[in-house]
Amino acid sequence: GAVVSQHPSRVICKSGTSVKIECRSLDFQATTMFWYRQFPKKSLMLMATSNEGSKATYEQGVEKDKFLINHASLTLSTLTVTSAHPEDSSFYICSARPGTSYNSPLHFGNGTRLTVT
Amino acid sequence: GQNIDQPTEMTATEGAIVQINCTYQTSGFNGLFWYQQHAGEAPTFLSYNVLDGLEEKGRFSSFLSRSKGYSYLLLKELQMKDSASYLCAVNQAGTALIFGKGTTLSVSS
Repeated sequence: GAVVSQHPSRVICKSGTSVKIECRSLDFQATTMFWYRQFPKKSLMLMATSNEGSKATYEQGVEKDKFLINHASLTLSTLTVTSAHPEDSSFYICSARPGTSYNSPLHFGNGTRLTVT
Repeated sequence: GQNIDQPTEMTATEGAIVQINCTYQTSGFNGLFWYQQHAGEAPTFLSYNVLDGLEEKGRFSSFLSRSKGYSYLLLKELQMKDSASYLCAVNQAGTALIFGKGTTLSVSS
């Protein structure tokens, strides 16, 4: 089945530093990947759509200069949280779907637990 | 606008049947998905409906009524391991999924 790998699974950083999260599709190509954020006991909120070879599309209220997205290849998208602050502490999850059919489900990475101290 | 509603919490006992409802109001509709998420883990796909009716998959079934903006997930023969959050998600514009707030199901013995 389709596998999405996300790294790191956990990261602790100090305020003001930047953190990069990688999302890879291991056995399929993904021209589009999706980044979600989840606060404790809350649902997944779509942050942005990552497009291979072009700029990401950000959801309303998400700062594009703070959450930098790069989709340099058909199997890799990265999310960089710049100048992190404690309020950025959250669970970040990437997802992608194989093929072009919108009927196929999104497959999720295992998520990255970010803690900013 | 978009709105996806689910009950926040539900409880049930082992061996029972539970139905988790989801109502949605979205500007577009290209199908509805149900996911299961255990605490601290990524969501896993359970079922998908794009046409009206019931889809059955072992102990899990999902129903959709597009005219009513309504879906439910039916879990039969509940097991302790079914304790998790169940997320209703709508494919609104053909790309990303928009998720409801999830229903936390607690199964007791």
